[in-house]
Amino acid sequence: DAGVTQSPTHLIKTRGQQVTLRCSPKSGHDTVSWYQQALGQGPQFIFQYYEEEERQRGNFPDRFSGHQFPNYSSELNVNALLLGDSALYLCASSFRAGGYGYTFGSGTRLTVV
Amino acid sequence: QQQVKQSPQSLIVQKGGIPIINCAYENTAFDYFPWYQQFPGKGPALLIAIRPDVSEKKEGRFTISFNKSAKQFSLHIMDSQPGDSATYFCAAAGSSGSARQLTFGSGTQLTVLP
Repeated sequence: DAGVTQSPTHLIKTRGQQVTLRCSPKSGHDTVSWYQQALGQGPQFIFQYYEEEERQRGNFPDRFSGHQFPNYSSELNVNALLLGDSALYLCASSFRAGGYGYTFGSGTRLTVV
Repeated sequence: QQQVKQSPQSLIVQKGGIPIINCAYENTAFDYFPWYQQFPGKGPALLIAIRPDVSEKKEGRFTISFNKSAKQFSLHIMDSQPGDSATYFCAAAGSSGSARQLTFGSGTQLTVLP
């Protein structure tokens, strides 16, 4: 049974560019949450998608946007990349928005140069 | 009010020792308190979690102690092993509103010496 799958594993982008990160949730899960983890810090909540809609959002600018597809997979898009966007981006899936059984993927390491 | 404060930032113990990591929260809407273990290059993995209606929960070598009145909770690792060397995060979440997402502490880097 596959867990949460994220792609790509590593990515290098130039300041000002746009990036798309992808996540496939664990089998049986229908909710996807995205987190940003800066080096040496705890993960920070970006937003959560359930039933193809953004249900909750953390304290992140509109440059961060997302999408959830009918098969529950999700994308995180970041526009106008800043050096400070360099981080590990984690996807966590769960069953039903508000459920607590979160499973995290291994993340995408984004480096902005 | 969403903050979860974690200490210490780093911890070094000998094999067999009992490292203790502490967390404190402010938001009384939190009702789920998990601990995650993270190895380099990996995502956080759930170790153990507790609800506020119990004061202690044990799973294998891992124990959570919970003090609802003080709004504090801690992780104890019994008979620690070098393989336990990792970063540990406490977190908290609630069942409604803005508390529903996981709020993480800043992490504790644990080193268990052989």
